[in-house]
Amino acid sequence: KAGVTQTPRYLIKTRGQQVTLSCSPISGHRSVSWYQQTPGQGLQFLFEYFSETQRNKGNFPGRFSGRQFSNSRSEMNVSTLELGDSALYLCASSFEALNTEAFFGQGTRLTVV
Amino acid sequence: DAKTTQPPSMDCAEGRAANLPCNHSTISGNEYVYWYRQIHSQGPQYIIHGLKNNETNEMASLIITEDRKSSTLILPHATLRDTAVYYCIVLKKTSYDKVIFGPGTSLSVIP
Repeated sequence: KAGVTQTPRYLIKTRGQQVTLSCSPISGHRSVSWYQQTPGQGLQFLFEYFSETQRNKGNFPGRFSGRQFSNSRSEMNVSTLELGDSALYLCASSFEALNTEAFFGQGTRLTVV
Repeated sequence: DAKTTQPPSMDCAEGRAANLPCNHSTISGNEYVYWYRQIHSQGPQYIIHGLKNNETNEMASLIITEDRKSSTLILPHATLRDTAVYYCIVLKKTSYDKVIFGPGTSLSVIP
């Protein structure tokens, strides 16, 4: 079966712009989590969605938001981009929760200039 | 904060067993030990998990000490493709707490 698909793979934006990233989980998976990965901070949890509801949220400012659709696809939005938002954004899907075997996508590499 | 500590880096000769340690001294009774790895420029990949018994799958073996305060991931015959960052995390299987990844162990398999 198809794996977790993230689009786009690469993105360049300027400061102050906003960006939307997309994640299509594995068919049948209802939990989608988002992570930000930077060389200095490592993998940091952003939020998790399950059945269209945000269940958990990490320590990120309100500029970072997300949503999940009825088909379990998820989007993440970052508004008013800052240089420090440059990172690899990873999406993970699992059947029930991240506490079960989770499958990660290849990520979206966002560069803010 | 991560509930686990791992050495920042390790080397292993190709073909030999790679033994990656993890300390989780504050683990509670209903928390599982999970291992993931991340090969450069790819998303993390699930390897194995366990509660208290040793586990083995096609990728690796997981040895958990009797007191559950530490564990070891064993890659029996390391190959160059096993070069990656390995993350050990503890999770309650019945809750939906956010998953915290630590810095992991960077394993280099040397020819």
